[in-house]
This record gives sequence, structure tokens and C-alpha cells, in this order.
Amino acid sequence: GEQVEQLPSSLIVQEGASVLINCSYTDSASVYFPWYKQEPGKRLQFIIDIRSNMERKQTQRLTLLFDKKTKHLSLHITATQPGDSAIYFCSASDSYAQGLTFGLGTRVSVFP
Amino acid sequence: EAGVTQSPRYAVLQEGQAVSFWCDPISGHDTLYWYQQPRDQGPQLLVYFRDEAVIDNSQLPSDRFSAVRPKGTNSTLKIQSAKQGDTATYLCASSFWTNTEVFFGKGTRLTVV
Repeated sequence: GEQVEQLPSSLIVQEGASVLINCSYTDSASVYFPWYKQEPGKRLQFIIDIRSNMERKQTQRLTLLFDKKTKHLSLHITATQPGDSAIYFCSASDSYAQGLTFGLGTRVSVFP
Repeated sequence: EAGVTQSPRYAVLQEGQAVSFWCDPISGHDTLYWYQQPRDQGPQLLVYFRDEAVIDNSQLPSDRFSAVRPKGTNSTLKIQSAKQGDTATYLCASSFWTNTEVFFGKGTRLTVV
């Protein structure tokens, strides 16, 4: 089955700095890649997604890059704020409304 | 806040005890998922439904776990005889079958001692 790996497992940055999270997957049948943010005590929150027919997607301070050949994604967060402190999960699916396979997460800590 | 509702929020059991988790998805969502999230790991899919039908339960430990969604709305996940290895947060999520965005509940944190 699909396996999703994320690196790094954790990182600490100062407010205003940028963050890069890398994600790789194994199953070439995966076509949909949503990312989620999990803050302590709160529910998983969808933040951005990309489909396999795209190379790049950007929303506000998030940029998601996708390389189908290398089966690699990267999430770039700019101008970080303390509110960005959370665990970020990369996930993959082979279709709409199918179960998602998640990575282990990347814990991001942003200090003022 | 409207969203996926789960209960209870917490449960503490001794090994061998049974427990049920309840989920109320977002109104109108035909697809419902149950995930298990061990501490410091990502969620792992256990089972999911479209309406009342099970679409995939291949990751559900069938000897002790069961899940139902009899009317295609609310769902119950039951652990028959809990083990320490079942300690995790159990997440329910819902979506439209034809839409990609999945909405998660706050989860039920289970501790088996």
C-alpha cells in the first residue's frame, strides 16, 4: 500500500522566517494530496491540496510544489507567525472520497 | 461550531473492556471515515462508508473492532475487548463522495491500561 514520508519531523523557527516541509510517497496511483494542520486540542484542519495534474498551488502564505516524476511534494510557509505552530501532515489518496494515507507529521514551532 | 461531532471526548479502560465511539457527520455528507491516530503518528484509516455501505474495512482489526452506519448518517465504532495497543485518538471525518475536502472531528482519546 501507499507510504508517505515527511521530513523533517520537527523544526523551530523565529517569527517571520520561512519553513519548508518535504513529503514523498510511493504509490504512483496516488493523484490527490491534501495537507492538514493539527494544533493542540483542535481538530485536523485542511490547509491546502494539489492534484497530480498540477505542479504548483499557492494560497496566501502557503506554496505547495508537486513533482510527479520523483513522487515528491514540498510545502513552503512564508512569514511565519506563532499561530502557525502546529503539526503539519501530508497525505495522499488515489481518488476522491477515498481514504487518505498520512505521513507521521512535521512539528513546527514558531517563536516570537 | 457546526462540524463533525464525536463523543465521548475521552475514555479510559482496562484491558478486556468494551467501548463504543459515536460520530455525527456534517449534515448531508454521504461519506464517513474512521481513523486511528496513535500518539506522535499520523492518522491511519480504519474504515469508511458511503451512505450505509462499507466501502473499505481492510484496515479494521475485525476480530475486535466493528463499525456501523445503519441509516447512512451517524456511525458507531466499537472495540470489543480493548488492548493496550489500542491506546490512540479515534478520529471521525466526513465528506461528499464527489468532493475532495474531508472534515474531521475533534476525536476521542482512548487510554487502555
